[in-house]
Amino acid sequence: QLQLQESGPGLVKPSDTLSLTCTVSGGSVGSSNFYWGCVRQPPGKGLEWIASMYYSGRTYYNPSLKSRVTISIDTSKNQFYLNLTSVTAADTAVYYCARLNGNWFYFDSWGQGSLVTVSS
Amino acid sequence: DIQMTQSPSSLSASIGDRVTIACRASQSISNYLSWYQQKPGKAPKLLIYSASTLQSGVPSRFSGSGSETDFTLTISNLQPEDFGIYYCQQGYGSSWTFGQGTKVESK
Repeated sequence: QLQLQESGPGLVKPSDTLSLTCTVSGGSVGSSNFYWGCVRQPPGKGLEWIASMYYSGRTYYNPSLKSRVTISIDTSKNQFYLNLTSVTAADTAVYYCARLNGNWFYFDSWGQGSLVTVSS
Repeated sequence: DIQMTQSPSSLSASIGDRVTIACRASQSISNYLSWYQQKPGKAPKLLIYSASTLQSGVPSRFSGSGSETDFTLTISNLQPEDFGIYYCQQGYGSSWTFGQGTKVESK
């Protein structure tokens, strides 16, 4: 059974970089037709897709975050990574790792989520 | 960006009720529409994709319909475990967006 597990810092200072690691088990980030990425949810608010990536290297970014986000994949470790630079309090959220099905572009598997708070 | 608008934002319903949630896209998205259920403190759970295809393991009381810009999620015979927040999400193009959510509460 596919599992995704987030590893995050918990607390990040304003203007610093948020780095999230997503570890995949029970499946491969090199699988064809699946994209790997992140969705976030500020406390008490809705869902926002951040970025997704195909194992071949093709990346997709939310236009509103594109200037601050980088996503990457390490197929040898079966992990993918999200970096979000110049964070502010508005970036405080639960960050989810999620698999995107490439046929109809829906998120079919999710991690449990990792709360990241931006505060000094 | 394609904007997704759900209505209502919240609703109150009783066990056994039929519940309908609407989702409208700001432009045509064909059938690239999925629905999720979220419980407090949990990750979203996929219910329906391609507008009307039920994800494996999801009860048949959930159904989806629509195409282009207007979509509907229906829960027939609401059960206690169905209370929560429901989101639609469009998968058209290369930038994907969610609706703002609809909270289904107990009347």
